[in-house]
Amino acid sequence: DVKVTQSSRYLVKRTGEKVFLECVQDMDHENMFWYRQDPGLGLRLIYFSYDVKMKEKGDIPEGYSVSREKKERFSLILESASTNQTSMYLCASSRPNQPQHFGDGTRLSIL
Amino acid sequence: AQSVAQPEDQVNVAEGNPLTVKCTYSVSGNPYLFWYVQYPNRGLQFLLKYITGDNLVKGSYGFEAEFNKSQTSFHLKKPSALVSDSALYFCAVRDGAAGNKLTFGGGTRVLVKP
Repeated sequence: DVKVTQSSRYLVKRTGEKVFLECVQDMDHENMFWYRQDPGLGLRLIYFSYDVKMKEKGDIPEGYSVSREKKERFSLILESASTNQTSMYLCASSRPNQPQHFGDGTRLSIL
Repeated sequence: AQSVAQPEDQVNVAEGNPLTVKCTYSVSGNPYLFWYVQYPNRGLQFLLKYITGDNLVKGSYGFEAEFNKSQTSFHLKKPSALVSDSALYFCAVRDGAAGNKLTFGGGTRVLVKP
């Protein structure tokens, strides 16, 4: 079974902090994705990566950056956290043109 | 641009009755369509997909979906709902000619009552 592991289930940070969310997958998938999930809005794509050191902006990249130094790990960075970034963050991975596999999410609160 | 609409925020159904969750989509090219389910405090789980071929697609846990090109719809169905089917369901679309980016609908909460 594919395993996508997000480093924290719950995280509380303060406004202005730099926040790192980590995601690791164990199936050698080329593609990795970061989404945020908000009630009524579904999932919105923040960034995705189709190879090591490669990244592309999704629909809502503002205020975020990503890093993919190794194939199995994809990090989401909130450069200066703000209260409107309080949300559920979901990481996913896939082979090209195959269904995405999701982690269990990180519920992030910015105070 | 691609988009997905799930017109119902919530669907209530009695156990044993048929379940339908609606989805309509818009893409420029050929649609790749997906259904995912999310249980409380979990990530999304893949249920089924349509890429090409037979318009009726069968997936996990007894779910199926019908691709209708003329109505640009991909409704999820289950002939006999279980209480354990209560969850949040997401429809997603990808433009077959435009890379790996998925666009999700807003989600439909399904409540199956005993």
